[in-house]
Amino acid sequence: SAVISQKPSRDICQRGTSLTIQCQVDSQVTMMFWYRQQPGQSLTLIATANQGSEATYESGFVIDKFPISRPNLTFSTLTVSNMSPEDSSIYLCSVGPGTGEVAKNIQYFGAGTRLSVL
Amino acid sequence: EDKVVQSPLSLVVHEGDTVTLNCSYEVTNFRSLLWYKQEKKAPTFLFMLTSSGIEKKSGRLSSILDKKELSSILNITATQTGDSAIYLCAARNSGGGADGLTFGKGTHLIIQP
Repeated sequence: SAVISQKPSRDICQRGTSLTIQCQVDSQVTMMFWYRQQPGQSLTLIATANQGSEATYESGFVIDKFPISRPNLTFSTLTVSNMSPEDSSIYLCSVGPGTGEVAKNIQYFGAGTRLSVL
Repeated sequence: EDKVVQSPLSLVVHEGDTVTLNCSYEVTNFRSLLWYKQEKKAPTFLFMLTSSGIEKKSGRLSSILDKKELSSILNITATQTGDSAIYLCAARNSGGGADGLTFGKGTHLIIQP
């Protein structure tokens, strides 16, 4: 499986500020995803990070609030913009190594970023 | 809308017991079902199931998919305290749009010594 480094591991932020979370993989991967896990809830997909093009967002998530970059096949960032306490959550980067259906079907997760917004 | 439901939501057993965790799904153009173990933040991959009736096994853990019943179970035998975690079930479709997974809410398993 791919080794995924996600940082920061945790942060406490003020309302109205923005935080950028980084995800670095030790090998080139086809698919990269960003998930959110709110307290007591399961994982919800925010978007698929596409290399060299705009991310594909799920219903309820928009680029202005969660801008995503993916400049190459090993790195992606997620920014949580203009934060409010409702954004307090764990944010997880996920990758699908391999190609084709393997990449889509088996995802591995980073260690996550625990964000608290005051 | 795709949906994954897990039961029970929480379970407390004693070390050595055997547990069965359930997952049912309603997914358009179902492709595969995955099980993950989440201890702190990062879910770790356990199994991927695509074919009905074929058991996947890893040590004391095993899982099987029933496409007719749109469900899967995860069995853990001879449980240990280290098995305490949230077990997540996720389903993937093969349709258009995003290629991520739809997760259930998880089963919080607690193994008491």
